[in-house]
Amino acid sequence: NAGVTQTPKFRILKIGQSMTLQCTQDMNHNYMYWYRQDPGMGLKLIYYSVGAGITDKGEVPNGYNVSRSTTEDFPLRLELAAPSQTSVYFCASSFAPYNEQFFGPGTRLTVL
Amino acid sequence: AQKVTQAQTEISVVEKEDVTLDCVYETRDTTYYLFWYKQPPSGELVFLIRRNSFDEQNEISGRYSWNFQKSTSSFNFTITASQVVDSAVYFCALSESLAGGTSYGKLTFGQGTILTVHP
Repeated sequence: NAGVTQTPKFRILKIGQSMTLQCTQDMNHNYMYWYRQDPGMGLKLIYYSVGAGITDKGEVPNGYNVSRSTTEDFPLRLELAAPSQTSVYFCASSFAPYNEQFFGPGTRLTVL
Repeated sequence: AQKVTQAQTEISVVEKEDVTLDCVYETRDTTYYLFWYKQPPSGELVFLIRRNSFDEQNEISGRYSWNFQKSTSSFNFTITASQVVDSAVYFCALSESLAGGTSYGKLTFGQGTILTVHP
């Protein structure tokens, strides 16, 4: 099992550009999450999904969008990138709520 | 609203010292879960433990131990005989409250404690 994979690992964007962060898990988990980690801070939830076709906002959803067309994939879309979106983004999945979440390696994004 | 506070921003110890990382949480609900995660310098997040609100037994796993006290809303983590490999950022997290019988497992994280173990 590869677990949770994320691409790319690093990316530099210019203000106003858009991009999609990819997240895939091969554990057949229904629950998937996107978090961001700002320097010296804990993780904050951006969006989450409880199954294919079902997504909802977390604590900091502004500037982002998600989709969940399959159980395996949960891409995060950034539209009109802003410097405030400079962060490390983590995707996670779990078999059920309250179970441990398995995290991907993260994507380090810089917006200049 | 839920909140997790890790008051210790940074801790520095010498190898073989014991160290305790504090975690205090706030929630209105009686059913919830608490977690500890480790983030080594490589950046990934590693699950350490999960504890539900009805189980106040302390847990020991090798050099790691956890003390859960509902009376003080604390879930502290102790590393005994610390090693250089324990150097990492440690996060305490609280699952979202179970409201109306529905939960989606959303986590609220503390800001993390940076632990540095010197040889």
